[in-house]
Amino acid sequence: GEDVEQSLFLSVREGDSSVINCTYTDSSSTYLYWYKQEPGAGLQLLTYIFSNMDMKQDQRLTVLLNKKDKHLSLRIADTQTGDSAIYFCAEGGSQGNLIFGKGTKLSVKP
Amino acid sequence: DAGVIQSPRHEVTEMGQEVTLRCKPISGHDYLFWYRQTMMRGLELLIYFNNNVPIDDSGMPEDRFSAKMPNASFSTLKIQPSEPRDSAVYFCASRRRDRANYGYTFGSGTRLTVV
Repeated sequence: GEDVEQSLFLSVREGDSSVINCTYTDSSSTYLYWYKQEPGAGLQLLTYIFSNMDMKQDQRLTVLLNKKDKHLSLRIADTQTGDSAIYFCAEGGSQGNLIFGKGTKLSVKP
Repeated sequence: DAGVIQSPRHEVTEMGQEVTLRCKPISGHDYLFWYRQTMMRGLELLIYFNNNVPIDDSGMPEDRFSAKMPNASFSTLKIQPSEPRDSAVYFCASRRRDRANYGYTFGSGTRLTVV
């Protein structure tokens, strides 16, 4: 069935780049998404990529998509302490819903 | 646009009591989703609606859980009777199918504690 997997934790130093990886199973997904959840808050859409694109850049964020390997990554350049949060990868499900991974908790050390 | 509005933000109740969580989706959104988030199981889809009709409720854990969407601007998730293992953060989200690139918009969640 449809599934999204991502590592649970990532720790980086302030100023370094962070790379969060995700694999998915549904090759028919039209869009793939990254959501950010800060403590005590709901999930906020961070960025998305259309499935016929390989890369999308938005300021400090770079999304890379490898459709052959069904691999999605989110790179955050010059990571700041304010980037500490849980990051969720999601793919468009076949029924109109989104399938979320379990989330990667990013910790940024000063 | 006020976003997806959930109430209450926090709920503490005793085991066995009925709990009702409320959600107002964004106007014009035709999909509504209820999720539950816990440390152990992450984000779980409980049920979702399209044009007020339940499409998939396979994630609803037990008969104690029920959800309704009487109109396009309101949905409830009810737990009766509640149990301590129901303690979690419950999120509502909405979406417009023809704006698929925008994904979901989530509410701020209801943190439920059953003692």
